[in-house]
Amino acid sequence: DAKTTQPPSMDCAEGRAANLPCNHSTISGNEYVYWYRQIHSQGPQYIIHGLKNNETNEMASLIITEDRKSSTLILPHATLRDTAVYYCIVRVAKGSGNTGKLIFGQGTTLQVKP
Amino acid sequence: NAGVTQTPKFRVLKTGQSMTLLCAQDMNHEYMYWYRQDPGMGLRLIHYSVGEGTTAKGEVPDGYNVSRLKKQNFLLGLESAAPSQTSVYFCASSSIQGMVETQYFGPGTRLLVL
Repeated sequence: DAKTTQPPSMDCAEGRAANLPCNHSTISGNEYVYWYRQIHSQGPQYIIHGLKNNETNEMASLIITEDRKSSTLILPHATLRDTAVYYCIVRVAKGSGNTGKLIFGQGTTLQVKP
Repeated sequence: NAGVTQTPKFRVLKTGQSMTLLCAQDMNHEYMYWYRQDPGMGLRLIHYSVGEGTTAKGEVPDGYNVSRLKKQNFLLGLESAAPSQTSVYFCASSSIQGMVETQYFGPGTRLLVL
């Protein structure tokens, strides 16, 4: 699975959009980009995933660059409850022989401030 | 629909004692995982299961055993606890749609080995 690079920490004002970047310059064609987050002392929570196209769900939007070497997770209206560690994970598509383990790096600690 | 639940939430053991952590999911998922998370670090895979009656080793399996006798349950055992096993343990189960696997995590079990 490709390695990812994220800034260690970011701040965001409550009600504003939070844009969390992720670099995955070695990503290969059959690898998906996943985002999870971990609120303090809780289990990780799935947010969104994508392959090539931009994706949106009720939690967030995922913007993947055309060359797929980086992506941005967007929380459109951050709230205090969005304060968490956000993990960008790149994994091969299921069925490609992978065990299913998620490689959690250090992630980005997002602090949403009032 | 409770999702993924873990029992107990917290436990203190003395070195050499044994215990079993229980993970249960009600989503009819085939795949289940046990991870550990040490302070300030990402999750590391201990063992996993791709279906009832099957288990396999992850990154850090030593000192742990697992069993998957029923599809909805995945047990993690510590035969002789050591202080190095002090950690937070997370269980996960996953849904697979096409080539995309999404993992859902339990709330965690905090284990302190004295």
